[in-house]
Amino acid sequence: DTGVSQDPRHKITKRGQNVTFRCDPISEHNRLYWYRQTLGQGPEFLTYFQNEAQLEKSRLLSDRFSAERPKGSFSTLEIQRTEQGDSAMYLCASSLSPSRAETETQYFGPGTRLLVL
Amino acid sequence: AQTVTQSQPEMSVQEAETVTLSCTYDTSESDYYLFWYKQPPSRQMILVIRQEAYKQQNATENRFSVNFQKAAKSFSLKISDSQLGDAAMYFCAYALLLMNRDDKIIFGKGTRLHILP
Repeated sequence: DTGVSQDPRHKITKRGQNVTFRCDPISEHNRLYWYRQTLGQGPEFLTYFQNEAQLEKSRLLSDRFSAERPKGSFSTLEIQRTEQGDSAMYLCASSLSPSRAETETQYFGPGTRLLVL
Repeated sequence: AQTVTQSQPEMSVQEAETVTLSCTYDTSESDYYLFWYKQPPSRQMILVIRQEAYKQQNATENRFSVNFQKAAKSFSLKISDSQLGDAAMYFCAYALLLMNRDDKIIFGKGTRLHILP
């Protein structure tokens, strides 16, 4: 059984550079979520996908952030022109939801820790 | 807007003793889920226990149990026979039963639990 995986686990970049993170959900899960977690805080929702459709985006997700899930399997989160305030842990989670409406338990990946210098 | 409050930033308990972590939440909804997630140091977040608001019976998972008081909007986690492996950050979280456009999982800021040998 492979859980949610994320790559890379750590990323150090210079301010202004673009970065891309990847998330592979549990294989049969149709929902995929992205969260951001800063030190001493709980995760904050960024966006989620139902299959390949991006259904919700948080106000935290500025225009520099874009997420895709092209085939309804893995997802990528790209941050363009990174800023020091983007430094955080980026968490991915997935869930199996039997219908469009119902909420189910989310299973989290190990996260990608981003440091912007 | 829904909020989740964990008033104890840190707690310590002697190994084999019992500890209770507090969580309160605010919502005007009647159908929702509540969760406790555990995040060990440098490891991924895992689900500890989940409670559906329409169920009056408190959820239990081995040494973990909750005290769900719907009217008081309180959802505390009790860990019995504490073990060294229980040391982690614990997050209380809330989600609506039915996903909608403004829906997401909302996390508290967490309680760091230390287990004293």
